[in-house]
Amino acid sequence: AQSVAQPEDQVNVAEGNPLTVKCTYSVSGNPYLFWYVQYPNRGLQFLLKYITGDNLVKGSYGFEAEFNKSQTSFHLKKPSALVSDSALYFCAVRYTGKSTFGDGTTLTVKP
Amino acid sequence: NAGVTQTPKFRVLKTGQSMTLLCAQDMNHEYMYWYRQDPGMGLRLIHYSVGEGTTAKGEVPDGYNVSRLKKQNFLLGLESAAPSQTSVYFCASNSDMSEQYFGPGTRLTVT
Repeated sequence: AQSVAQPEDQVNVAEGNPLTVKCTYSVSGNPYLFWYVQYPNRGLQFLLKYITGDNLVKGSYGFEAEFNKSQTSFHLKKPSALVSDSALYFCAVRYTGKSTFGDGTTLTVKP
Repeated sequence: NAGVTQTPKFRVLKTGQSMTLLCAQDMNHEYMYWYRQDPGMGLRLIHYSVGEGTTAKGEVPDGYNVSRLKKQNFLLGLESAAPSQTSVYFCASNSDMSEQYFGPGTRLTVT
């Protein structure tokens, strides 16, 4: 069985500071990994993905994520947070076609 | 391209009634999914399909059935609705290594 854990329900940062949203996964194989963002009353929007290759992947809106195979982690990062980054963030793992999501982390960026 | 569309957008059912949610995609994607999202929670996988004519159970399949008779359509059925099935339902599709594309969601209330 595959699973995704986002250990923090809420992350609070000040505008301009770096942010990290954590994600760890459990799967018996080499999965594809994704981050999505959801704004209130909206669907999910894709941010970035890791399929293979370079462990550091860059995505939309200045976000990046680092794949760490030994720690089975795929943490989302951004060097300088914006108030407009405040939203609900989901990590997802896909293996053999099955795609499951973490419970989400609410990011709040305060001015 | 319309992307991923869902019908209907809203529905109110009485306990015991049945209904079918329709998901359609025009991107020729092999993989399709149904998720439910409850308030303040993440996406839970109900059923998914890795190709036309195939379906598989996700994390919370009980009380739901699905069919994928055509590649572009993925139907989710509720045979006897229960209040616990009140939720927002999202359909998604993807190709092998692409990100998932989500529909706008169906808000279902069971009274």
